[in-house]
Amino acid sequence: DSGVTQTPKHLITATGQRVTLRCSPRSGDLSVYWYQQSLDQGLQFLIQYYNGEERAKGNILERFSAQQFPDLHSELNLSSLELGDSALYFCASSTDGLANTYNEQFFGPGTRLTVL
Amino acid sequence: DQQVKQNSPSLSVQEGRISILNCDYTNSMFDYFLWYKKYPAEGPTFLISISSIKDKNEDGRFTVFLNKSAKHLSLHIVPSQPGDSAVYFCAASAYGNQFYFGTGTSLTVIP
Repeated sequence: DSGVTQTPKHLITATGQRVTLRCSPRSGDLSVYWYQQSLDQGLQFLIQYYNGEERAKGNILERFSAQQFPDLHSELNLSSLELGDSALYFCASSTDGLANTYNEQFFGPGTRLTVL
Repeated sequence: DQQVKQNSPSLSVQEGRISILNCDYTNSMFDYFLWYKKYPAEGPTFLISISSIKDKNEDGRFTVFLNKSAKHLSLHIVPSQPGDSAVYFCAASAYGNQFYFGTGTSLTVIP
């Protein structure tokens, strides 16, 4: 158990809909990262938040957005869903996310999103 | 643009033998590399890392080798155990920025 929790475990929805994925980081971790893993793809970095502020952005679509709340939990919002958004979405946390430092990222179990 | 590549989707090894998982990268600015292990229905867990100032790092049965000139790293598991059966991801970062992950290699250790 990494200490990172993600809800829900599974989500099935239809195209055009909007969903929210939730992540609670390990106690004391300030950084939260979101990754997408599509079929036969590696983990694609989407976005990072550090202590409530956006720190880095990866290949995140404009239809997707995220935020980190004062209690440090984070939500990833996916809207206007398409079939290709079906994937595993992982959240990870680390103690900090400062540039030029390397901190192990602890991953949650993921949310499997299926768009029909 | 896949900056980190794992060209072998799967690998089978007999218990007790060596497992060698390979990873190639294209970005010469990468200076930190990690291996993660993933069991089904779980998130990836950190296994071992190496900085670009080293060419080898060892942790028990796990050793990571880095060949900067070839932009290649490998993970050696000796001896392999059935519990090592999992998907292994390599990842790379430049100056502490985002990690780029490979597509993973599924290792099966046959008892």
